[in-house]
Amino acid sequence: GAVVSQHPSRVICKSGTSVKIECRSLDFQATTMFWYRQFPKKSLMLMATSNEGSKATYEQGVEKDKFLINHASLTLSTLTVTSAHPEDSSFYICSARDQTLSYEQYFGPGTRLTVT
Amino acid sequence: GNSVTQMEGPVTLSEEAFLTINCTYTATGYPSLFWYVQYPGEGLQLLLKATKADDKGSNKGFEATYRKETTSFHLEKGSVQVSDSAVYFCALYNQGGKLIFGQGTELSVKP
Repeated sequence: GAVVSQHPSRVICKSGTSVKIECRSLDFQATTMFWYRQFPKKSLMLMATSNEGSKATYEQGVEKDKFLINHASLTLSTLTVTSAHPEDSSFYICSARDQTLSYEQYFGPGTRLTVT
Repeated sequence: GNSVTQMEGPVTLSEEAFLTINCTYTATGYPSLFWYVQYPGEGLQLLLKATKADDKGSNKGFEATYRKETTSFHLEKGSVQVSDSAVYFCALYNQGGKLIFGQGTELSVKP
């Protein structure tokens, strides 16, 4: 099946710094990628939809200036958490939609962010 | 709006027991329905799907049938294994092109 990778898998950063998370589709082209946030023992919350070559669409309540999303190519989207605070600590998961299939999404393994 | 409701966990079973995890949905039209599984510390993997009424999705011994009349997509497995311990998410694909997830049900299988 299709493979989506995320890097890094775990990151610890200090409060006030920024951290970038990469999401790559390894064996297919993804015009659309999605970024989710998952709190412990909770469901996935969609943060934003990332379209290649255009600005991301953010869900209500998600600060676009804090969570910067770039989708510069058909295989790479990045999420940058700017000026991170401890409350930003979470599990971030991306998914990519195969442009040949209208609904199939493939999920990355997730990135555990801890802000100290 | 669209929503998915799953039975609350955790569900604890003995190995070889029968599993049912209930899932009901509210949606406009006839969305595609999915079950995803998340093993500890990992992302989500698609377990099975159904795209229209009365379709049955199946994979790795798990099954779910798209029931339009009851707006349900319950997950079942006849004999669970310890390796099935994970969190299971029911989801639908809405007309806006987004996946809407249920809250997840944690399954713990004891030997």
